[in-house]
Amino acid sequence: SAVISQKPSRDICQRGTSLTIQCQVDSQVTMMFWYRQQPGQSLTLIATANQGSEATYESGFVIDKFPISRPNLTFSTLTVSNMSPEDSSIYLCSVEYTGADTQYFGPGTRLTVL
Amino acid sequence: AQKVTQAQTEISVVEKEDVTLDCVYETRDTTYYLFWYKQPPSGELVFLIRRNSFDEQNEISGRYSWNFQKSTSSFNFTITASQVVDSAVYFCALIRDSSYKLIFGSGTRLLVRP
Repeated sequence: SAVISQKPSRDICQRGTSLTIQCQVDSQVTMMFWYRQQPGQSLTLIATANQGSEATYESGFVIDKFPISRPNLTFSTLTVSNMSPEDSSIYLCSVEYTGADTQYFGPGTRLTVL
Repeated sequence: AQKVTQAQTEISVVEKEDVTLDCVYETRDTTYYLFWYKQPPSGELVFLIRRNSFDEQNEISGRYSWNFQKSTSSFNFTITASQVVDSAVYFCALIRDSSYKLIFGSGTRLLVRP
């Protein structure tokens, strides 16, 4: 499986600010995804990060709030914009290799918005 | 519509006890994949197993075993001789063959007491 890193591992932010989370994989992967896990809840897919094109967002998530970049096959960023306390969550990236049919997750970024 | 149900919110056992985590799923697809992930207190999501819908053979890996029964739409997970390090939240998940979107259950928090 891949070695996946995320930065930052945790952060405490003020309302109205934005935070960019980075996801780095140690080898090229076909697919990269971003998930949100609200406190005490399960995981929900935010979007699929597409290399070289706009991300594909799930219902309830919009690009203005969660802009995503994927400039190459090993790196992606998720920005949480104009944050409110409701955005306090763990944000996880996941990756899938061609033919693997399995998503492997990064260590997560624990975000607290005051 | 697809759905994964983990009815057990929290389970507490004493070390060395056996414990079974239940997972019931709903899907109209004939081809799909089922997963179990472990989330320890540190927050990362650790992949445990993947099963496709055509493989009902039970699997054993050390102290872990999985029982997949299509007749009851269940994919249960048993830990034998539990250890304190098994304490975590365990998620069951489902994915359609033509999709990348993991559908997670609500998770079961397992506490193994010494």
